[in-house]
Amino acid sequence: QKEVEQDPGPLSVPEGAIVSLNCTYSNSAFQYFMWYRQYSRKGPELLMYTYSSGNKEDGRFTAQVDKSSKYISLFIRDSQPSDSATYLCAMSPTGGGNKLTFGTGTQLKVEL
Amino acid sequence: DVKVTQSSRYLVKRTGEKVFLECVQDMDHENMFWYRQDPGLGLRLIYFSYDVKMKEKGDIPEGYSVSREKKERFSLILESASTNQTSMYLCASSLYPAGGGQFFGPGTRLTVL
Repeated sequence: QKEVEQDPGPLSVPEGAIVSLNCTYSNSAFQYFMWYRQYSRKGPELLMYTYSSGNKEDGRFTAQVDKSSKYISLFIRDSQPSDSATYLCAMSPTGGGNKLTFGTGTQLKVEL
Repeated sequence: DVKVTQSSRYLVKRTGEKVFLECVQDMDHENMFWYRQDPGLGLRLIYFSYDVKMKEKGDIPEGYSVSREKKERFSLILESASTNQTSMYLCASSLYPAGGGQFFGPGTRLTVL
């Protein structure tokens, strides 16, 4: 069993929809949680960085961490075609300064 | 603005060739990383470095070596390229020890024929 599980999709939604992307993990030592967005043939771009449990909001994006359930989510409000990309979750016990464990990514397509 | 650059976007090499992939960051980050990304397998860590001349093996170091002679530059070396090393190679950097996430370069798509 992988340490981090992420539904690969593809997930297709209409423009303006609320998107929910999720990861589950098994290692209770994970304290730092990240979401990356990766466009086709590009490197991953850091979207959200959170520590421990709780919510963090940045514009249309909200990251949620539930450590008791070992479950993290990324919500995208008012989704746009430009949000079409692969979203990767990543986590670490010690922050990004050390090894990250990545999910395999969820492919999202936002259609007009 | 944070910037990580990689020497080539696309590279085609022949089996047995020695291949050098270069990565440069301008953020004065201590940590640098090399990953490969393959469909269905996600990102896998090859090597990382937390200081000049220091290196640590990641999850899949076999067939690779690295060099870090300057803080801003981290090189990945394929000693004798093989077809199973055809992949997308991604370099990243981060602060230490506070972290704050890793910042990635654009990637090098390497094809070994």
